[in-house]
Amino acid sequence: AQTVTQSQPEMSVQEAETVTLSCTYDTSESDYYLFWYKQPPSRQMILVIRQEAYKQQNATENRFSVNFQKAAKSFSLKISDSQLGDAAMYFCAYMAGGTSYGKLTFGQGTILTVHP
Amino acid sequence: EAQVTQNPRYLITVTGKKLTVTCSQNMNHEYMSWYRQDPGLGLRQIYYSMNVEVTDKGDVPEGYKVSRKEKRNFPLILESPSPNQTSLYFCASSPQGARYGYTFGSGTRLTVV
Repeated sequence: AQTVTQSQPEMSVQEAETVTLSCTYDTSESDYYLFWYKQPPSRQMILVIRQEAYKQQNATENRFSVNFQKAAKSFSLKISDSQLGDAAMYFCAYMAGGTSYGKLTFGQGTILTVHP
Repeated sequence: EAQVTQNPRYLITVTGKKLTVTCSQNMNHEYMSWYRQDPGLGLRQIYYSMNVEVTDKGDVPEGYKVSRKEKRNFPLILESPSPNQTSLYFCASSPQGARYGYTFGSGTRLTVV
């Protein structure tokens, strides 16, 4: 079974600074997708960014970008110009392609605190 | 508004009393899924459905049942709840292939005493 590991239970950052959240995954597949989800105190799960494994270019969504290292099976999330509203639990997630579409595996989560 | 609606938001029940958590989506999505969230474990997939009448087990299906008789609805059934099923439950849906990520409902906090 695929596993997703987030080794940082908690991280903190000063407002306007940059922070990077780590994620590693284990797979033997070549076709897969990676995601970062944000869960604020409202507990709503919000998709932040996604990456397709066959694309070498790192995904970017406004202040959020990823560092996708396929050989190392690493998928970190960089948040630039951090804002108070970025404070949340962040989950990394993996989904294989092909016959495994729909089966999403999450990491344990990283709590991000943003200090004013 | 495009959304996934699950009910109830909070539920306290007793061991062994059958319950159903409803989930409905208005986006005509093919894929739907149920997750449970527990501290330190992240979200774990219970069941998922690729379309009407097509379902498959996730990582933690024991003690749960699902059905997909209509495209928009995907209820989660606990026929004999036990305290270890106390958790936060999420329903989610996605277009074909789920490769674009799931859209999640607001969650159901279930307590089994």
